[in-house]
Amino acid sequence: KQEVTQIPAALSVPEGENLVLNCSFTDSAIYNLQWFRQDPGKGLTSLLLIQSSQREQTSGRLNASLDKSSGRSTLYIAASQPGDSATYLCAVKSNYQLIWGAGTKLIIKP
Amino acid sequence: NAGVTQTPKFQVLKTGQSMTLQCAQDMNHEYMSWYRQDPGMGLRLIHYSVGAGITDQGEVPNGYNVSRSTTEDFPLRLLSAAPSQTSVYFCASAGTGEIYEQYFGPGTRLTVT
Repeated sequence: KQEVTQIPAALSVPEGENLVLNCSFTDSAIYNLQWFRQDPGKGLTSLLLIQSSQREQTSGRLNASLDKSSGRSTLYIAASQPGDSATYLCAVKSNYQLIWGAGTKLIIKP
Repeated sequence: NAGVTQTPKFQVLKTGQSMTLQCAQDMNHEYMSWYRQDPGMGLRLIHYSVGAGITDQGEVPNGYNVSRSTTEDFPLRLLSAAPSQTSVYFCASAGTGEIYEQYFGPGTRLTVT
């Protein structure tokens, strides 16, 4: 059974720092991995999707990597800003279902 | 292109009442799903559908029914509301296959008293 873990559960850093969020999964047989952002009381916004055949994807200050063999993905945020404060979730697509991590709550201090 | 829409945004029910949460998408996506999100529990899949006329259970299906008569709509029915169903409900859609992203609706915040 696929399990997805995100560490740390919460992270607080000063503005301007580069940071890495981690996502690990137990079964390497995945279709893709997706990173989402969720603001308090809001829905989920897709940030990046990495197909199983890809190693990384980039969008602006965000870079996501995927290492299926080790069951790990990282989300790198460059030059963090207070507006990046949110909960970040990763989800692994196996068959038709997404298996979710519990999220990392990120706070960027001005 | 409205994406994924959900109604209502907020709802308060009494124990035992029934209701339907509406979900619609205009992206011609085959796959649609319902999740509930509870504090500290993450997102849990309730039901999903891979096309019109096809539905299946997710991780926490008890107390909920779904149907998929059209590609666009995927309503979630609460048969007899219980306080344990107090949660935020999200509907999502995606194309099938490796490359398709999941798109989420804005959510319905349900309170059962």
